[in-house]
Amino acid sequence: AQKITQTQPGMFVQEKEAVTLDCTYDTSDPSYGLFWYKQPSSGEMIFLIYQGSYDQQNATEGRYSLNFQKARKSANLVISASQLGDSAMYFCAMREGLAAGNKLTFGGGTRVLVKP
Amino acid sequence: EAQVTQNPRYLITVTGKKLTVTCSQNMNHEYMSWYRQDPGLGLRQIYYSMNVEVTDKGDVPEGYKVSRKEKRNFPLILESPSPNQTSLYFCASSSAGGITGELFFGEGSRLTVL
Repeated sequence: AQKITQTQPGMFVQEKEAVTLDCTYDTSDPSYGLFWYKQPSSGEMIFLIYQGSYDQQNATEGRYSLNFQKARKSANLVISASQLGDSAMYFCAMREGLAAGNKLTFGGGTRVLVKP
Repeated sequence: EAQVTQNPRYLITVTGKKLTVTCSQNMNHEYMSWYRQDPGLGLRQIYYSMNVEVTDKGDVPEGYKVSRKEKRNFPLILESPSPNQTSLYFCASSSAGGITGELFFGEGSRLTVL
């Protein structure tokens, strides 16, 4: 079974609107962390936001927030007030507490295109 | 500036011609790893290292070798590249283990094997 599933291969969003990127995960480890990375067309991986499995509050970083629903095993990324520079590929990733080597397991990604 | 540096950034080679992709980090991180990125599959871990002289296989290690002789360097070696190793490769580093702690990625190395 896929450990990280991103069901939206691509999506358009109007500039200044909010967009939600879906991410569901599968683990039996009670201790895990969830990450979102952005990959612009230039190719580098940019860390956006982190949520720990024991965190009580949803993580927020500027225009990024993580809608963490533990019982549903979902960790959706919300980007508010989209900008043209938000056009990129977005990856959800998980690190399980028992994972060796600090491994991150990635989803397949969602490509976002912001329309002016 | 804290960074992970990979070279080369772009490489076209032919089947069977050995190549090495270098990776260096200046953050004194214990953990280093290599990932490959393929369309629809996200990034998958190839090999990782928890410290000098300590390396282990990730999820897709076939056809690759690594070494960690110094803390800052973690080269990826393709002894006999094949076309199915055409991919975008990332080196990453992080501080000591736990569920927190982001991976710091290099800028990526795009490899084409003809």
